Amino acid sequence: DSGVTQTPKHLITATGQRVTLRCSPRSGDLSVYWYQQSLDQGLQFLIQYYNGEERAKGNILERFSAQQFPDLHSELNLSSLELGDSALYFCASSVRGTGRYNEQFFGPGTRLTVL
Amino acid sequence: AQSVAQPEDQVNVAEGNPLTVKCTYSVSGNPYLFWYVQYPNRGLQFLLKYITGDNLVKGSYGFEAEFNKSQTSFHLKKPSALVSDSALYFCAVRERYSGGGADGLTFGKGTHLIIQP
Repeated sequence: DSGVTQTPKHLITATGQRVTLRCSPRSGDLSVYWYQQSLDQGLQFLIQYYNGEERAKGNILERFSAQQFPDLHSELNLSSLELGDSALYFCASSVRGTGRYNEQFFGPGTRLTVL
Repeated sequence: AQSVAQPEDQVNVAEGNPLTVKCTYSVSGNPYLFWYVQYPNRGLQFLLKYITGDNLVKGSYGFEAEFNKSQTSFHLKKPSALVSDSALYFCAVRERYSGGGADGLTFGKGTHLIIQP
């Protein structure tokens, strides 16, 4: 158990809908990262937050957004969902600070299925 | 841009034999390198990382990895494989200095390691 929690574990929805994925980082970790894992694209970095502020963006679509709250939990919002958004979404956190050498600890993921 | 290549989709090894999972990377500067393992229906678990110094890095569960700067490689190794090592292994890279580039880890496609009894 990495200490990173994600809810829900599974989510099934229809095209055009909007969903919110939630992540709670390890106690004391200030950085939260979101990744998407799909069969065709592999594991891709989406976005990073550090202590409530957006830190870096990766391959995140404009239909997707995220935020980190004062208690450090984070939410990833996916809107106007398409079939191709079906994937496993991981949240990860890293130790205090933004040291680029810090390993990231991953949650169990949320499996999103868009029908 | 940074990238990682894992040239083998699958590696088959007999239990008790040594194993190697290959990884090569490309970054414009110096890298931080990581190995993660993913078991079915689980998140990624950190195995080991290379920051600087000794080119041979030891990690969890008896795994080690060798950093080779001239060959831009970071191969994962274990002297004696166990059936329980069967899983999906990911190599990842992060540039030492962001220089305005992407800040997350860049992962390879993953290698399925199958240990046969």
